[in-house]
Amino acid sequence: AQSVTQLGSHVSVSEGALVLLRCNYSSSVPPYLFWYVQYPNQGLQLLLKYTSAATLVKGINGFEAEFKKSETSFHLTKPSAHMSDAAEYFCAVSVPGSSYKLIFGSGTRLLVRP
Amino acid sequence: NAGVTQTPKFRVLKTGQSMTLLCAQDMNHEYMYWYRQDPGMGLRLIHYSVGEGTTAKGEVPDGYNVSRLKKQNFLLGLESAAPSQTSVYFCASSSSGGYGYTFGSGTRLTVV
Repeated sequence: AQSVTQLGSHVSVSEGALVLLRCNYSSSVPPYLFWYVQYPNQGLQLLLKYTSAATLVKGINGFEAEFKKSETSFHLTKPSAHMSDAAEYFCAVSVPGSSYKLIFGSGTRLLVRP
Repeated sequence: NAGVTQTPKFRVLKTGQSMTLLCAQDMNHEYMYWYRQDPGMGLRLIHYSVGEGTTAKGEVPDGYNVSRLKKQNFLLGLESAAPSQTSVYFCASSSSGGYGYTFGSGTRLTVV
């Protein structure tokens, strides 16, 4: 069975600092991996996705993530945090052939300090 | 270009009451999903559908039923609401897993 672990339910950074949100996955077959962002009282918006092409994936709003098979990780980074990045971020895994069900991590809330 | 539309956006139910949440998508997507979101638990899959007329159980199906009579609509029913079903419910659709999901804006349900 697939699973996702997000390390740190809350991450706090200063504006302009590096953002690093951690995600580790478990899957018996090569997965698809996703990062979603949720702003308060809104639905989820796709930030980026890995689907077995390039291991370094660039997404919207300056975010990127690197798929590392040896570490079973898909950490999300952004070089310089902006106040507007404050939100909750979810990592998710999907396995081809599983009806494309997305399995979500428990989420990480990013706080950006002025 | 509506995407995925959920109705209602908010609802308060009394224990034992029933209700139906409606999800409609206009993207001709085959796959549709219902999730519930609870603090600290991420999103958990309730039921899903891989096409018109099909439904299947997800991770937390108990207390819920679904129907997909038309490709564009996916209904989630609560026959006898319980306080444990207080949550935010999200519907999503997908054409294939590689493209990810399109989510609705959610339904906030409170059962008192």
